[in-house]
Amino acid sequence: KAGVTQTPRYLIKTRGQQVTLSCSPISGHRSVSWYQQTPGQGLQFLFEYFSETQRNKGNFPGRFSGRQFSNSRSEMNVSTLELGDSALYLCASSLAGSGGVYNEQFFGPGTRLTVL
Amino acid sequence: AQSVTQLGSHVSVSEGALVLLRCNYSSSVPPYLFWYVQYPNQGLQLLLKYTSAATLVKGINGFEAEFKKSETSFHLTKPSAHMSDAAEYFCAVSDRNTDKLIFGTGTRLQVFP
Repeated sequence: KAGVTQTPRYLIKTRGQQVTLSCSPISGHRSVSWYQQTPGQGLQFLFEYFSETQRNKGNFPGRFSGRQFSNSRSEMNVSTLELGDSALYLCASSLAGSGGVYNEQFFGPGTRLTVL
Repeated sequence: AQSVTQLGSHVSVSEGALVLLRCNYSSSVPPYLFWYVQYPNQGLQLLLKYTSAATLVKGINGFEAEFKKSETSFHLTKPSAHMSDAAEYFCAVSDRNTDKLIFGTGTRLQVFP
């Protein structure tokens, strides 16, 4: 079974631009979560989508948004890029919803975004 | 609010020595606890997890961790380090109602020959 894939793997943008990152979950997984990893802040939760609905959200500004499609693929968008948005963006997928049932998250290799 | 604290951002051991990476958690409800490993330029790989079954959890690559409620700890150990264990290790916690993971700041493990 193929793992979580993220495209592109590397991206260079300039301040003020916007960017869209893509994540394809493991087949059959309905939940997709996004995390930002930076040397200064570590790994921080951005948001989670389940069945095309945002179910959880972290403490990021509205410039960060996402969506999920009917095939569970997810995209995240960052508008008006700032230098501080340079990071590794990780996506993780899991089988189903929560509610007391443990769902292991499987991580993709990440997209490294550099903002100049 | 849930949180995890990893003591020591860098740990260095000799090959063959014991590996001990520390993690303490804070949670108002029984948590799920995880250890992940990240190799350079890669995503996160799950080493092991605690989901309220056995308190001593065995994972991949010879790692294990023990859930100690009285100490609110979930330290990661391996009896004998290998060069291939050099990586960054993250402890994480989630509650039982969401899949949101809250990560510690990570510990970089170096293994010397």
